[in-house]
Amino acid sequence: DQQVKQNSPSLSVQEGRISILNCDYTNSMFDYFLWYKKYPAEGPTFLISISSIKDKNEDGRFTVFLNKSAKHLSLHIVPSQPGDSAVYFCAVHGSNYKLTFGKGTLLTVNP
Amino acid sequence: DAGITQSPRHKVTETGTPVTLRCHQTENHRYMYWYRQDPGHGLRLIHYSYGVKDTDKGEVSDGYSVSRSKTEDFLLTLESATSSQTSVYFCAISSGTGAYEQYFGPGTRLTVT
Repeated sequence: DQQVKQNSPSLSVQEGRISILNCDYTNSMFDYFLWYKKYPAEGPTFLISISSIKDKNEDGRFTVFLNKSAKHLSLHIVPSQPGDSAVYFCAVHGSNYKLTFGKGTLLTVNP
Repeated sequence: DAGITQSPRHKVTETGTPVTLRCHQTENHRYMYWYRQDPGHGLRLIHYSYGVKDTDKGEVSDGYSVSRSKTEDFLLTLESATSSQTSVYFCAISSGTGAYEQYFGPGTRLTVT
């Protein structure tokens, strides 16, 4: 069973608008939630995280929201820029210093 | 950027041959990980290490072994490569603090023919 699901394989937005990437998880015991960005032919890059005791964390144009009752995580990018075009992975930490990743969402920001 | 290098960056090998991929870090982080990335599967954990000579299996460990004889090096070995092991392999490191974030190397593209 997938513990972390990113149900949208792709998303296309216009430059300057908001991008919203979504992630659902199954286990209420996860304590940290993370987002990574990946460009082609490069390794994933850590973007932002949130603790399970919070519901929002903001870093510049990136904001992560956590809805624990719905077991739902989202990443908002405002305003979106063409350089944000990449694959975005959500990840969760449950135990033993391991992360479990979703399958990723390809974001395309059109000029 | 975290100091992580992977070698080789690209490799083509034949079915049945052994292959070793190397991950080297300069951050002195305790935790090291090997993942594979395949279309439609995201990032899947193969093996990880929580200290020198301390390793454990991930979700897709069959056909792979690892070794860590020094803090800075983590080796992934395919004992007898198969075509299903054609993939992009990423190494990651973590200090195990904060949000348990991991920092990834640039990847190794492995093709098994």
